[in-house]
Amino acid sequence: AQSVTQLGSHVSVSEGALVLLRCNYSSSVPPYLFWYVQYPNQGLQLLLKYTTGATLVKGINGFEAEFKKSETSFHLTKPSAHMSDAAEYFCAVTTSGGYQKVTFGTGTKLQVIP
Amino acid sequence: DTEVTQTPKHLVMGMTNKKSLKCEQHMGHRAMYWYKQKAKKPPELMFVYSYEKLSINESVPSRFSPECPNSSLLNLHLHALQPEDSALYLCASSQALSRIGETQYFGPGTRLLVL
Repeated sequence: AQSVTQLGSHVSVSEGALVLLRCNYSSSVPPYLFWYVQYPNQGLQLLLKYTTGATLVKGINGFEAEFKKSETSFHLTKPSAHMSDAAEYFCAVTTSGGYQKVTFGTGTKLQVIP
Repeated sequence: DTEVTQTPKHLVMGMTNKKSLKCEQHMGHRAMYWYKQKAKKPPELMFVYSYEKLSINESVPSRFSPECPNSSLLNLHLHALQPEDSALYLCASSQALSRIGETQYFGPGTRLLVL
């Protein structure tokens, strides 16, 4: 079975500071990993995804994530937080073979302090 | 155009009412999904359609009835709901069900309140 664990349900950063949202996965087969963002009262938007190839993945809005197999991690980072980054962030995993159900983490709410 | 639209945005219904949620996409996607999201929780998969046929039903109560009239449209018919069914209902689509690492595109959701 596949799963993701997001450490920290709430993260607060100052505007301009580094954003680091943590995600660890569990999967018996090579995973495909996603980060989605959800702004208040909206649906989910894909930030970035890792399938195969380069382990450092760049996404939209200046976010990036690095797939580290040895640490089973896929942490999301952004060098400098903007007020507009305040939202809920979900890490998700899917695996190959059969129907690739997406399993979401419990989410991390990012607060950006002016 | 990577947009998935959902109507209505908000819906209030009584436990004896019948209502429907609508989802539409014009990206040529052949897989469509319904998710339920409770407050401060991740989305939970309800149904998956592939090529207009129901592929996955995640043991959803029969008071929720999905329908896929054509490749662009997905409905969710609601009848005799309970207050605990109040949630944000999200629709999503992807190019195909079986493609590895496929991105799902989400609509803005319908916020449902059952009284």
